[in-house]
Amino acid sequence: EVQLVESGGGLVQPGGSLRLSCAASGFTFSSYWMHWVRQAPGKGLVWVSRIDSDGSSTSYADSVKGRFTISRDNAKNTVYLQMNSLRTEDTAVYYCVRGFEYWGRGTLVTVSS
Amino acid sequence: DVVMTQSPLALPVTLGQPASISCRSSQSLVHSDGNTYLNWFQQRPGQSPRRLIYKVSNRDSGVPDRFSGSGSGTDFTLKISRVEAEDVGVYYCMQGTHWPPWTFGQGTKVEIK
Repeated sequence: EVQLVESGGGLVQPGGSLRLSCAASGFTFSSYWMHWVRQAPGKGLVWVSRIDSDGSSTSYADSVKGRFTISRDNAKNTVYLQMNSLRTEDTAVYYCVRGFEYWGRGTLVTVSS
Repeated sequence: DVVMTQSPLALPVTLGQPASISCRSSQSLVHSDGNTYLNWFQQRPGQSPRRLIYKVSNRDSGVPDRFSGSGSGTDFTLKISRVEAEDVGVYYCMQGTHWPPWTFGQGTKVEIK
């Protein structure tokens, strides 16, 4: 069974940093692209970032480019999202996604003073 | 970026009656490989999104056959043949042809009258 479990969310002040993790199991992790998608409270879904299967290629939404970094450790079956220079508008539930077929339960990031 | 526009944004339906959601893209979603990467997702209250339909009309495993997708080019439709109580939630279309970014529609909230 495919499982994606996010962690690392929490409350952070504007300008601060957080690193999200997503632990994957139930499939050959090193064979799949992975994405992060976020959802602000009461709002819709917004794609944030993706990484290819070996980590050699990444993409970002314009709203996070230069502030967020996606990475992966295929030995640990884990994908990460390093979030720096956080803004109040980054407040959202962040979902780890495989191929848009499998979604984690999400982790809440709240940016507030 | 490709803009995805859904209508209506709210859809009150009677149990057992059909429902239909429209999704239009700002440019054709036909990929150079001949496929059209248009997905539909359901998000029930308090849950993660779940993919229902991929490549316009292909149902994911476990998705009831009362859900169907159709369309081509820039115009797409999700139909529920007979709405059940468990279908309440928000439905999103998403394109994966012209990336990055992958882009979602605003969402359509389906509720029971």
